[in-house]
Amino acid sequence: EVQLVESGEGLVQPGGSLRLSCAASGFTFSSYAMHWVRQAPGKGLEYVSAISSNGGSTYYADSVKGRFTISRDNSKNTLYLQMGSLRAEDMAVYYCARSYDYIWVFDIWGQGTMVTVSS
Amino acid sequence: EIVLTQSPGTLSLSPGERATLSCRASQSVSSSYLAWYQQKPGQAPRLLIYGASSRATGIPDRFSGSGSGTDFTLTISRLEPEDFAVYYCQQYGSSLRLTFGGGTKVEIK
Repeated sequence: EVQLVESGEGLVQPGGSLRLSCAASGFTFSSYAMHWVRQAPGKGLEYVSAISSNGGSTYYADSVKGRFTISRDNSKNTLYLQMGSLRAEDMAVYYCARSYDYIWVFDIWGQGTMVTVSS
Repeated sequence: EIVLTQSPGTLSLSPGERATLSCRASQSVSSSYLAWYQQKPGQAPRLLIYGASSRATGIPDRFSGSGSGTDFTLTISRLEPEDFAVYYCQQYGSSLRLTFGGGTKVEIK
């Protein structure tokens, strides 16, 4: 079964850090670009970050640039999102999703993991 | 950045009725880069349509997409109980600035 499973859920104080992981199974992880999309409580979808299939290219939304780092380990079939300088507005469910390298349409999504930013 | 505006915000319909959802872009979008997703409460989004009009794997044919340029439409021909959900459009522009629309909630009337 093709599957993405996020982990790393947590409560963190403003200014703190957290690392999310996304474990892939059932497909050739190294053949797909991977992405993070978030959704604040009761709100719509917001695109966060992308990494190419070989990890050579990354992209960040302006709202997280300089604070978040996306990475991947193709030997472990795992995607990461290192989040730093967290703000209240970063509080959301974070989804990982896959796409082809040049067509960013997300056909497989994880179940999501919640990040709570509060003092 | 291309802004996607979805309308209406909420659509109240009965099972069996036809649903027409609109997604309007602030500038022209290549048809290859317009997708639609369905999201139910507590679940991840699910891909319905890509390339403006191609159904994703396993999506029933009551779902169809159309449009070009700045105006796109998702049509659900006859609403089934499981179709009541929130629907999002998404575009991937040439400058790598992917955006989502704000969503349309289809609720039971």
